[in-house]
Amino acid sequence: NAGVTQTPKFQVLKTGQSMTLQCAQDMNHEYMSWYRQDPGMGLRLIHYSVGAGITDQGEVPNGYNVSRSTTEDFPLRLLSAAPSQTSVYFCASSPFDGGRNEQFFGPGTRLTVL
Amino acid sequence: RKEVEQDPGPFNVPEGATVAFNCTYSNSASQSFFWYRQDCRKEPKLLMSVYSSGNEDGRFTAQLNRASQYISLLIRDSKLSDSATYLCAVKRNTGNQFYFGTGTSLTVIP
Repeated sequence: NAGVTQTPKFQVLKTGQSMTLQCAQDMNHEYMSWYRQDPGMGLRLIHYSVGAGITDQGEVPNGYNVSRSTTEDFPLRLLSAAPSQTSVYFCASSPFDGGRNEQFFGPGTRLTVL
Repeated sequence: RKEVEQDPGPFNVPEGATVAFNCTYSNSASQSFFWYRQDCRKEPKLLMSVYSSGNEDGRFTAQLNRASQYISLLIRDSKLSDSATYLCAVKRNTGNQFYFGTGTSLTVIP
């Protein structure tokens, strides 16, 4: 199993550009989520999904869109990039069991917006 | 109030030392508890789950205090390789959202 994969690993955007961060998992996990991690702020939840066709907002959703057309994929779209979106983005997945199972993280995407 | 709070440190300790981290959570509905380790420029990876009765994995001991709403991680006989950031995480008994602390930075010094 590849686990959780993310592409690209690094990206530089200009203000106003749009792009999609890709995330895929091969563990058949129902729950997937996107976080951003900034110094001193920890991991902040952007959007999450409890299954194909179902998404919801997290703590910091503004400026981001998500969709979940399949169990495996959960892309994150930046509609019009802003310097405040410079961050490290992690995708994560876990079984939706309300129980003790951990969340597995992808390797992250380092995004810089100029 | 933040869902989960951690002392960010940094903790700088000599090799062989014992170090403890605490993490407090605000929601009594929290059900599951975890400690993650994050190396520089890497993703968080599960270090250990925290069970109600406390649990140990080698040099690492995790404790849960539901009455005071905190979890702790004790590292004994610190190694250079333990240098990392340690994140606590909690999950409520409804839904599947994880809430993470900001992380505590540990550096083990030779």
